[in-house]
Amino acid sequence: DGGITQSPKYLFRKEGQNVTLSCEQNLNHDAMYWYRQDPGQGLRLIYYSQIVNDFQKGDIAEGYSVSREKKESFPLTVTSAQKNPTAFYLCASGQNYGYTFGSGTRLTVV
Amino acid sequence: DQQVKQNSPSLSVQEGRISILNCDYTNSMFDYFLWYKKYPAEGPTFLISISSIKDKNEDGRFTVFLNKSAKHLSLHIVPSQPGDSAVYFCAAQFGTSGSRLTFGEGTQLTVNP
Repeated sequence: DGGITQSPKYLFRKEGQNVTLSCEQNLNHDAMYWYRQDPGQGLRLIYYSQIVNDFQKGDIAEGYSVSREKKESFPLTVTSAQKNPTAFYLCASGQNYGYTFGSGTRLTVV
Repeated sequence: DQQVKQNSPSLSVQEGRISILNCDYTNSMFDYFLWYKKYPAEGPTFLISISSIKDKNEDGRFTVFLNKSAKHLSLHIVPSQPGDSAVYFCAAQFGTSGSRLTFGEGTQLTVNP
C-alpha cells in the first residue's frame, strides 16, 4: 500500500542537540512538506520541496534544515538554534490537489 | 497575514444533530478548498474538497458549501456521531497543481452522546 511514513513516533532531545526526523513516501509524489503543530494552534509550514534537490522556506523555517536528495525522502533536522522545538511535527506529500499526511512525530526537549 | 481563518476554536453538538463548521478566506485567487479531520497524536486525514467552480459537494454525511462572493465555506455533518469528535482543518490551495496548502487554525468538534 502506498503511504507516507514518519519515524520515530516519539523523540526526546536534550537542549543543545540537533535531531533529525525521518519522512519517507512511496506515493511517487513530487512535493513534500513539513508542518509543525503546537497545542491549540493550527498547522504552520516549516519547509517544502516541490522537486528533488530543491526546497523552499515556509513560514517558520528558522532553526530548521532539510534536504531532498531522493524523491521518496524529506528529512527534517531540528537544530539547537530552534528556541521552542517541543511540538508535534507532520510530514506530508502531494501531487495535484491536497496532501497525504504522515502520522506525525512528537518531539520533546528534556 | 492569516489568509484562511476558522473563527470558532470549538463546537459542541448533540449526537444526531447537525454540525456546521465555518471557514473564511481572504485571497480570491484560491481555487480549491479542502477539509481535513485530525485526531490527537495522528496526522490529518482528507475528508472532502470543493473546486471554486462549484458551490456544493456532498459525500455521505458530509457536505461542503462554498460562497465565493463572501469568501466563505462551511462543512455540514448530518447526522453527527460521537466518532466525528476531532479537530477539523479548513485548507485552501491555488489553481497551480502541486501548490502549497494554506490551513486555518482548526475547530475542535465534540459530539456528545
